[in-house]
Amino acid sequence: EVQLLESGGGWVQPGGSLRLSCAASGFTFSSYAMSWVRQSPGKGLEWVSAISGSGGATYYADSVKGRFTISRDNSKNTLYLQMNSLRAEDTAVYYCTKPRPYGTGWYGCDHYWGQGTLVTVSS
Amino acid sequence: DIQMTQSPSSLSASVGDRLTITCRASQSISTYLNWYQQKPGKAPKLLIYAASSLEGGVPSRFSGSGSGTDFTLTISSLQPEDFATYYCQQSLRTPITFGQGTRLEIK
Repeated sequence: EVQLLESGGGWVQPGGSLRLSCAASGFTFSSYAMSWVRQSPGKGLEWVSAISGSGGATYYADSVKGRFTISRDNSKNTLYLQMNSLRAEDTAVYYCTKPRPYGTGWYGCDHYWGQGTLVTVSS
Repeated sequence: DIQMTQSPSSLSASVGDRLTITCRASQSISTYLNWYQQKPGKAPKLLIYAASSLEGGVPSRFSGSGSGTDFTLTISSLQPEDFATYYCQQSLRTPITFGQGTRLEIK
């Protein structure tokens, strides 16, 4: 059974940093791209970032590019999101997802989701 | 970036109704279109992928269609558990983008 367990959320002041983790189990972690999707309170879903199975390719939304860094440790089956220079608009529940490719696309769909971890950026 | 526009943003319906939600992409995305259902306080759940493929375990009253820029999600006969928010998502290219969501409420 695939499980994704996020941790590391909490309260941080504007300009601060936080690192989210996602512990994965139930599949061969290094074989799959992984992703982060967020949802601000009462708002819709926003894709944040994705990383290839090897970690050699990373992708970011424009809203976080240059501030957030996605990475993974395949020996620990863990995905990370390092968030720097945090802003109030980064306040959201952050979900770790496991995409499932289809067709010729590398991403496909967000097949599995974690339960989410809340990040609150406020003074 | 590819913009995804859903309509309507919200609607009220009754158990047993047939309804359709529309999603339009700002450029052609072939069939790289997915649909998700989200209930309050829960993570989204994949319903339809590749525009029309039903995810395993999802009831057959859900169906998807479309290609290019125009897509639809249809629920043939609404059940009480279907009242939720629905999102479309394009995955042709990054940044991956979602529609703004359609909130389905009980009439």
